[in-house]
Amino acid sequence: KNEVEQSPQNLTAQEGEFITINCSYSVGISALHWLQQHPGGGIVSLFMLSSGKKKHGRLIATINIQEKHSSLHITASHPRDSAVYICAANNNDMRFGAGTRLTVKP
Amino acid sequence: DVKVTQSSRYLVKRTGEKVFLECVQDMDHENMFWYRQDPGLGLRLIYFSYDVKMKEKGDIPEGYSVSREKKERFSLILESASTNQTSMYLCASSLLVMGYDGYTFGSGTRLTVV
Repeated sequence: KNEVEQSPQNLTAQEGEFITINCSYSVGISALHWLQQHPGGGIVSLFMLSSGKKKHGRLIATINIQEKHSSLHITASHPRDSAVYICAANNNDMRFGAGTRLTVKP
Repeated sequence: DVKVTQSSRYLVKRTGEKVFLECVQDMDHENMFWYRQDPGLGLRLIYFSYDVKMKEKGDIPEGYSVSREKKERFSLILESASTNQTSMYLCASSLLVMGYDGYTFGSGTRLTVV
């Protein structure tokens, strides 16, 4: 079993829909990262959080330390949000989920 | 902005060739990492380095070696490329040890071994 599990693996949405991607981890962490990978490969960091909630534009990330669970939400989704979203748990090293491939259709 | 630059976006090599993947960062980061990314498996750590001339094995070092002669450059070497090394290779760097401050990633090199 992976130490970091993401769901769903693939997600297709219509433009404007509210999106939720989930991440569960089995290890203790110092921080949880959400990353975005666009076609072509480059990965950018969206959020690093260790408690509570962070918001940046239409993106919101939450974490529940007791339940070892984090969610990434996208409000008013847009086709340009289409990407692979990856969560990573950091505790002495970085453990990555397999990613969620999001496709937003116009 | 921190930049992590990987020398090639796409590479095609023949089985048995020696392959060099280069990674350069411009923010004086101590820590550098090489990952490979395969569908359904996520990113897996091959090697990392926390200082010049220092290297540590990650989860899947077999068939790979690395070189860090200068702080800004971390090279991944496939001594004798095999088809099962066809993958996306991602380099990353971080200021703090093991990426506590988060990673900065390069754009990736998609390697095909034929």
